[in-house]
Amino acid sequence: DGGITQSPKYLFRKEGQNVTLSCEQNLNHDAMYWYRQDPGQGLRLIYYSQIVNDFQKGDIAEGYSVSREKKESFPLTVTSAQKNPTAFYLCASSYFRQGRSYEQYFGPGTRLTVT
Amino acid sequence: QQQVKQSPQSLIVQKGGISIINCAYENTAFDYFPWYQQFPGKGPALLIAIRPDVSEKKEGRFTISFNKSAKQFSLHIMDSQPGDSATYFCAASMNGDNYGQNFVFGPGTRLSVLP
Repeated sequence: DGGITQSPKYLFRKEGQNVTLSCEQNLNHDAMYWYRQDPGQGLRLIYYSQIVNDFQKGDIAEGYSVSREKKESFPLTVTSAQKNPTAFYLCASSYFRQGRSYEQYFGPGTRLTVT
Repeated sequence: QQQVKQSPQSLIVQKGGISIINCAYENTAFDYFPWYQQFPGKGPALLIAIRPDVSEKKEGRFTISFNKSAKQFSLHIMDSQPGDSATYFCAASMNGDNYGQNFVFGPGTRLSVLP
């Protein structure tokens, strides 16, 4: 059963703590992405990775870090430097067809609450 | 240039009615236009997609209409049902090396279908 898994579904942390969100895909997709979604808002790109050991900043990368040591995994760390970390975090992946990416496929999301 | 505009921001439709969501883009390099459906607390799911060489694509009750000269495309949901109540995102994709910039989402439309 192929897909994208994100864990945990809900995460609670105290202010000042770093927290890592997991994202795993078994779709053999090349590219992976992290988005942040605030209530009633759209999707904002945090980081993306096109290949293993390479990743690029998106529109709102400040206060976040990522790694891409394996093709299947793209964990996101929300650091204490992120001013307003409470949000719904979505991981996505895409495959290359004819040398490019067409659609992104999303995981179920992790809702992070920092108090 | 990279922005995709979407309207309306929210939409209320009676059961059995037609829901229409409109999107517009500026960059003519976009050449693939997927639509996503997101239920509360879930990740967006790919609904239907269209290429600009096709003026219309229909899948069940969902139809995309595409106007290449106007750089506009729209989603029509026929016989709208309460189960269609969700947030809908249009997106645009283009070829190129920068995968983070080559896939853009609209801001979303929150659809409520009244029983």
